[in-house]
Parts: sequence; C-alpha cells; structure tokens
Amino acid sequence: SAVISQKPSRDICQRGTSLTIQCQVDSQVTMMFWYRQQPGQSLTLIATANQGSEATYESGFVIDKFPISRPNLTFSTLTVSNMSPEDSSIYLCSVRGASGNEKLFFGSGTQLSVL
Amino acid sequence: ELKVEQNPLFLSMQEGKNYTIYCNYSTTSDRLYWYRQDPGKSLESLFVLLSNGAVKQEGRLMASLDTKARLSTLHITAAVHDLSATYFCAVDSNYQLIWGAGTKLIIKP
Repeated sequence: SAVISQKPSRDICQRGTSLTIQCQVDSQVTMMFWYRQQPGQSLTLIATANQGSEATYESGFVIDKFPISRPNLTFSTLTVSNMSPEDSSIYLCSVRGASGNEKLFFGSGTQLSVL
Repeated sequence: ELKVEQNPLFLSMQEGKNYTIYCNYSTTSDRLYWYRQDPGKSLESLFVLLSNGAVKQEGRLMASLDTKARLSTLHITAAVHDLSATYFCAVDSNYQLIWGAGTKLIIKP
C-alpha cells in the first residue's frame, strides 16, 4: 500500500492567482498521477508526473496552466495558474501500488474554490 | 478509445433492498477496479478484479468481472444507510485508469 499526504486540503482563491498543491508519498514510486474532479463529475486525468523528465499531459491540459514538478520519487507538486472560477474542482494526486500494476492510491484531495 | 459506462448514474433505494450497479467497457482489459467516494472526500478502493470470472465480496458488497462480456457488476445486498456514496468503476488502459461516470447511491432508512 501507499500513504499519500496531500495539502492543502482546501483553499479559496482569487481569480488570476496561482495555487500549488503538494503530494508526499511514504514510498518511492515511478509515476504519480494528477486528477481533476469537477463538481458532481468523474475523474479526469490531468497529467502523469515522472521523476527526471517532463510530465505527460492529457488532451486539454497544458503545462503553462498546470505546471508540475517531480523532484524525486516521493514528491510532486501541481500548480493551478492564473485561476478562473472554472478551475474550481477537487484536485487529487494518486500513485500505483509498489508493483506498478496495482490499484491506485489517492491523496485526500484539495478542494479549490476560485472567486 | 476505451470507454467505460456505468449505470445507473443515480440510484435511490430503501434499506434492506438488493440492487446491482453495472459497468461496461468497450475494449479488452483484464483489470477492473471499484472505488467508493463519500461527499467531499477522496476515493477509497473497494475491489480489484484481475481475471475473468473473478468475484470478490466485502460485507454487503460483491463485485464480479466477465471479461468476455466486458462487464462488471457491483451488487449490494440488504442495503444500509452507511453505504450511501458515489461508486466508480475504472478500467486499466496502458497504465492509466479510464473512469466511469459514477453511480450516486442514496439509501433511505
């Protein structure tokens, strides 16, 4: 199993500002995944964060808007830049189990509201 | 493109009743997951189904997988209020998970 510490748990931000979300894992993992969950919706993958290389972004998400850092195998950050009310969502980081093909473990989530 | 469809999307039921949530997916996959999400919370893993015919049970929940039919079911037996939540299925595709839309389950006393 993996234990993920995600912070902040929630924030209320002003339009045009940026917020950085942090995830710390209690073990080394190859890939970390960042998801967005808009109110009442399912999960949408934003990007996969790989240590030592640029993140891989899904269609509709770009690095300028959602820059990601992955300085080591236990830590990653996601920044939501130049926020607008449409960015109000829950943001979740997740990792696979140790063998790489196990279920996803999730952080506790960051509930973001943009005014 | 792999698609995952859940139904129903919303289910309101009485305590003590049985019901089934269905998860269909469009291409071959041999790994399917069920998760639970309480309002405002993160996701909790319920079941991992790894092979055709797999059946797993935990309390009042039982999940099964038919890879030939590309169908998984999550069966609720004698529902209780504490099972009220949103349930998601997800299917493995190239080390990513493709998610269903979720089934919001409300169980009334």
